[in-house]
Amino acid sequence: DIQMTQSPSSLSISVGDRVTITCRASQSINRFLNWYQQRPGKAPKVLIYAASSLQSGVPSRFSGSGSGTDFTLTISSLQPEDFATYYCQQSYTTPRTFGQGTRVEVK
Amino acid sequence: QVQLQESGPGLVKPSQTLSLTCTVSGVSISSDSYYWTWIRQPAGKGLEWIGRISTSDITNYNPSLKSRATISLDTSKNQFSLKLSSVTAADTAVYYCASEPYFYDNSDFYYWFDPWGQGTLVTVSS
Repeated sequence: DIQMTQSPSSLSISVGDRVTITCRASQSINRFLNWYQQRPGKAPKVLIYAASSLQSGVPSRFSGSGSGTDFTLTISSLQPEDFATYYCQQSYTTPRTFGQGTRVEVK
Repeated sequence: QVQLQESGPGLVKPSQTLSLTCTVSGVSISSDSYYWTWIRQPAGKGLEWIGRISTSDITNYNPSLKSRATISLDTSKNQFSLKLSSVTAADTAVYYCASEPYFYDNSDFYYWFDPWGQGTLVTVSS
């Protein structure tokens, strides 16, 4: 299985700050990388697919980059509704695997 | 738009079989634009992919489940289902169904999970 490792596991951030979350794959996955947001008690929601494509309806403050083994999710200016847990996921092969999650909390 | 809804028992006894159904609306489950997927999440933990089925009945499963999972389609009801046999307390989780659409770009197929059902909690306990 391809292991996905996110960092950091959690971070405390203020509204308006820039957030960067990284995801590393245990082998090259080209650009087969997606990002999800999960609010407490809710199902995950896709933000970014194919490493850098913004899902329809997702605010432009979210962006993704990277290829191969190293990827980044950036939130340019954190909004109150962005406090949540973020997961990366590889779609290079099955079994599909997720990172362990990054919890973004209020500072 | 596409919507998914899970249903099934919230409590299953150890060693029995967990059975869940996902009802799809807004698109035919026979559409070849999707895989149909099950994912689970134990309380306070991360996401685990269980498996998927295509409209041509091709299935893929997570080897970690040691062949206990079976996913099937019911095109007459626009539903797909999950059966997980020989459950233990470790199978207690919120179970999500999701569609896995794709787009084709430069000879590659890119997949992602969207949308997801709201999730259903299944507890394994006697």
